[in-house]
Amino acid sequence: NAGVTQTPKFQVLKTGQSMTLLCAQDMNHEYMYWYRQDPGMGLRLIHYSVGEGTTAKGEVPDGYNVSRLNKREFSLRLESAAPSQTSVYFCASSDSVSGGGQDTQYFGPGTRLTVL
Amino acid sequence: GQNIDQPTEMTATEGAIVQINCTYQTSGFNGLFWYQQHAGEAPTFLSYNVLDGLEEKGRFSSFLSRSKGYSYLLLKELQMKDSASYLCAVRDSNYQLIWGAGTKLIIKP
Repeated sequence: NAGVTQTPKFQVLKTGQSMTLLCAQDMNHEYMYWYRQDPGMGLRLIHYSVGEGTTAKGEVPDGYNVSRLNKREFSLRLESAAPSQTSVYFCASSDSVSGGGQDTQYFGPGTRLTVL
Repeated sequence: GQNIDQPTEMTATEGAIVQINCTYQTSGFNGLFWYQQHAGEAPTFLSYNVLDGLEEKGRFSSFLSRSKGYSYLLLKELQMKDSASYLCAVRDSNYQLIWGAGTKLIIKP
């Protein structure tokens, strides 16, 4: 059981370049999330998905696109990277949260992205 | 707006007890989570509170008072491996997690 995996682990981009971060989970979770984590700030939700074929905007969606490829995989794309997108990106997954249960989010190891 | 407040940094001694506080103001409340995050690693789940009171799990306990918008994480018998950041997160009325900036805990021998 690998849990949540992310690729790549590290990436350096130049301003204007594009890239796709990939996330996969093997826990059969419905919900998947993309967060960014910056020094001195809490995790901020970029986009999330409540099931296959669905996506929704989070707190900071501008400059990012996502795709729920299937139940296991959720990708995050930066079309034209900017220095302000330098951050650590975490993918997470959970069971459906609306049933009132605990529905803990489980996190991948993160991608450390630097945009020059 | 929604807000989660935690101390930025705390220092404690190996073998001692430390309490990390979290206060929150959110639109609705559907549970409070504590996560541990070692430097350069992913957050990992520690505890969950949805009702008032104390939840104990080994050396770690978490307390919640919904009327006061307050929680704390209590770590006993501190070990060097407990040096990490501790993140408080509240699930709001939209079932989204609102995260605090985290408390960096430094353990000294």
